[in-house]
Amino acid sequence: SAVISQKPSRDICQRGTSLTIQCQVDSQVTMMFWYRQQPGQSLTLIATANQGSEATYESGFVIDKFPISRPNLTFSTLTVSNMSPEDSSIYLCSVPDRVVDTQYFGPGTRLTVL
Amino acid sequence: DAKTTQPPSMDCAEGRAANLPCNHSTISGNEYVYWYRQIHSQGPQYIIHGLKNNETNEMASLIITEDRKSSTLILPHATLRDTAVYYCIVRVAYRGSNFGNEKLTFGTGTRLTIIP
Repeated sequence: SAVISQKPSRDICQRGTSLTIQCQVDSQVTMMFWYRQQPGQSLTLIATANQGSEATYESGFVIDKFPISRPNLTFSTLTVSNMSPEDSSIYLCSVPDRVVDTQYFGPGTRLTVL
Repeated sequence: DAKTTQPPSMDCAEGRAANLPCNHSTISGNEYVYWYRQIHSQGPQYIIHGLKNNETNEMASLIITEDRKSSTLILPHATLRDTAVYYCIVRVAYRGSNFGNEKLTFGTGTRLTIIP
């Protein structure tokens, strides 16, 4: 399975600021996925990032709030813009698993907004 | 994707088999049952999946009823490290260029606590 790293692993931020989360994979993948997990909740897909094209956002998520970059086949960033306390969540990236038709998840970034 | 229903929580004694049920009465013929778990503060981990036959791997066994409307994940000898939230997901599986690219829709899962 792929080795995925995320930076930062956690952060505490002030409202109104922005944070960029990085996701690095040890192999080339076409698709990368960004999920959010609010406190005590399940995971929700934010967007799908396909290298070379615009990210596809799920209902309730917009590019101005969560801009995504996908500069190459091993890297992606998710920015949480103009943060509010409601953005406090764990943000996870995932990539397709090469062996099983499913996804492999990174360790997550725990964000707290004050 | 079909909706799943799981009990919110379960306890199991260490060393015993943990049996986690999942109802998916609206499952379609081309949809697979997938199981994941999420140990506290970590990313979800794939456990097992199946279409209609029972499946077993080094982590668990998956028993799917003949009508495919429900399934059970079995952890044969539960340890304290198996304490986690377990998610049952039903989705179409793909071949070719879409392999692994279909989004995952997570429900609320079952919080399994292994008791020493």
